[in-house]
Amino acid sequence: KQEVTQIPAALSVPEGENLVLNCSFTDSAIYNLQWFRQDPGKGLTSLLLIQSSQREQTSGRLNASLDKSSGRSTLYIAASQPGDSATYLCAVSKGGGNKLTFGTGTQLKVEL
Amino acid sequence: GAVVSQHPSWVICKSGTSVKIECRSLDFQATTMFWYRQFPKQSLMLMATSNEGSKATYEQGVEKDKFLINHASLTLSTLTVTSAHPEDSSFYICSASGLDLDTQYFGPGTRLTVL
Repeated sequence: KQEVTQIPAALSVPEGENLVLNCSFTDSAIYNLQWFRQDPGKGLTSLLLIQSSQREQTSGRLNASLDKSSGRSTLYIAASQPGDSATYLCAVSKGGGNKLTFGTGTQLKVEL
Repeated sequence: GAVVSQHPSWVICKSGTSVKIECRSLDFQATTMFWYRQFPKQSLMLMATSNEGSKATYEQGVEKDKFLINHASLTLSTLTVTSAHPEDSSFYICSASGLDLDTQYFGPGTRLTVL
């Protein structure tokens, strides 16, 4: 059974700092990996999707990498802003049908 | 972009009653819809997958007679929590996929509180 773990569980940083969120998964036979953002009491916003054949994806200040063989992904946030405060979730899918297994989440707070 | 809505956004009910939650894809046809449950400070857990016009596939440990899912059209899926109890209180989120199975669009969630 796939298990997805995220470290750290919570993180508080000053504005402007670069930061890295970590995601690890136990079964490397994944189809793709996604990073989502969830604001309190809200649904999910997709940030980046990395196919299993890809190493990284970038969108603005966000960069996500994938090392499938070691079962790891990182989300790099550059020049963090208070608006980045949210819970970040990674999720992996095994294949067709796109059933997602979510990680435990990292709650990020960016302070002024 | 694709939009998924949920109704209601929150509901409070008495123990023993049934609650229906709707999930709609507003601007695309959703061939597959997913229902997730999220307990406080925990991650999302997939409950079931539904394809339009067929029976839902439930994840292990999810009671199909308690959580009734209907995906009667390409834009609407409903989740009915039957005989709700306080332990069913949770945040329920749906998502929908169209022709691009790689992409799920998530609804804003429904907060269910059972007294």
